[in-house]
Amino acid sequence: AQTVTQSQPEMSVQEAETVTLSCTYDTSENNYYLFWYKQPPSRQMILVIRQEAYKQQNATENRFSVNFQKAAKSFSLKISDSQLGDTAMYFCAITGTASKLTFGTGTRLQVTL
Amino acid sequence: SAVISQKPSRDICQRGTSLTIQCQVDSQVTMMFWYRQQPGQSLTLIATANQGSEATYESGFVIDKFPISRPNLTFSTLTVSNMSPEDSSIYLCSVEPLTVGSYEQYFGPGTRLTVT
Repeated sequence: AQTVTQSQPEMSVQEAETVTLSCTYDTSENNYYLFWYKQPPSRQMILVIRQEAYKQQNATENRFSVNFQKAAKSFSLKISDSQLGDTAMYFCAITGTASKLTFGTGTRLQVTL
Repeated sequence: SAVISQKPSRDICQRGTSLTIQCQVDSQVTMMFWYRQQPGQSLTLIATANQGSEATYESGFVIDKFPISRPNLTFSTLTVSNMSPEDSSIYLCSVEPLTVGSYEQYFGPGTRLTVT
């Protein structure tokens, strides 16, 4: 079984600042993949970034980067230079080789002027 | 990635009726999935739609309530049967492209269902 915990229901950040969203997980699998998805008010789920558990190097996609701590089972998302368009729900998710995504409860991020 | 469309985008239905949601992908994919997102909640996997065979359902979801078809590698349907107000949710399909080992899933825009 896999579980994902997001302990921050809501966060706020000013435009151009940096924010970090937390995520912890648990899994019994050795091979797994971690993801951050963004869901703006339009409700479209958008894949932001992914991390393979076997890779030590943290994934980076433009302004988005992760801090993957495998031993601590932690997978946080850092958003740099926050933009108004980053306002959304952010879901952390995990999947193993069965390709079944398990999601956390989400963090609502509000970017303000 | 893949371009995924869902029909309808939203619907309001009466209790006791059924609604079929369609999911179309612009390219062949190996895996297709159906998720439910209840109001203000996270996503929960309903089932994996298998091409040419019965869907694989997660605990708490049954075929009689959520029959699924997948006639080919680009199309799937989910039916919500004998609806009750508790079925009011967003239903999303997702796909895992043919890229070996990617495990990335891409989502359709969702179908917002309201049952009265």
